[in-house]
Amino acid sequence: SYDLTQPPSVSVSPGQTASITCSGDNLGEKYISWYQHKPGQSPVMVIYQDTKRPSGIPERFSGSNSANTATLTISGTQALDEGDYYCQALDTTVVFGGGTRLTVL
Amino acid sequence: EVHLEESGGGLVEPGRSLRLSCTGSGFTFDNFAMHWVRQAPGKGLQWVSGISWTSATTVYADSVQGRFTISRDNSKNSLFLEMNNVEEEDTAFYYCAKDTGGTVETWIQFENWGQGTLVTVSS
Repeated sequence: SYDLTQPPSVSVSPGQTASITCSGDNLGEKYISWYQHKPGQSPVMVIYQDTKRPSGIPERFSGSNSANTATLTISGTQALDEGDYYCQALDTTVVFGGGTRLTVL
Repeated sequence: EVHLEESGGGLVEPGRSLRLSCTGSGFTFDNFAMHWVRQAPGKGLQWVSGISWTSATTVYADSVQGRFTISRDNSKNSLFLEMNNVEEEDTAFYYCAKDTGGTVETWIQFENWGQGTLVTVSS
């Protein structure tokens, strides 16, 4: 089965740039989506097709995908960006990464 | 505004059945593929099943293949998940999710999500 690997946690200071990685074999050949999930809320798509932002998602969210690694970048990170972030791809089935807890402190 | 609302969760004994429902509004329901995604307590997101806009294609995770059945009624803007022979490992919040497109063969992306319904499998 296809695996997506994310770091369990990432910490960032307010106003700084946070980078969350997602690794998988030849990941650059697949489309990646990213989801933000806060406790008690439903997940929100923040990036799709590697680099596109859905309507209503702030410009500080951006994505890239090349070779074996996709990266979600949050510029000027704010306290409200805290939460769990998941990458997702389609192989023979839908695959989610294990999730990364983003802490803003 | 897109709105998805799940219902039908609850406590069920192992080996029994449960049917989840999801009603969509604020978009043209029969234009989009729909999915179920779950999150077990303390775990990450796990895709469960998807169905194309015409119901022509259904896809399942290996862990539920043969036990769960996804279906939809476009006349009622509704999505369903029939869960049979449930196992304790099926305990999770179940989310209904709308895709960005109508098929489930090319790419799958979850543009909108419901609030979820909790399924607890326990004797």
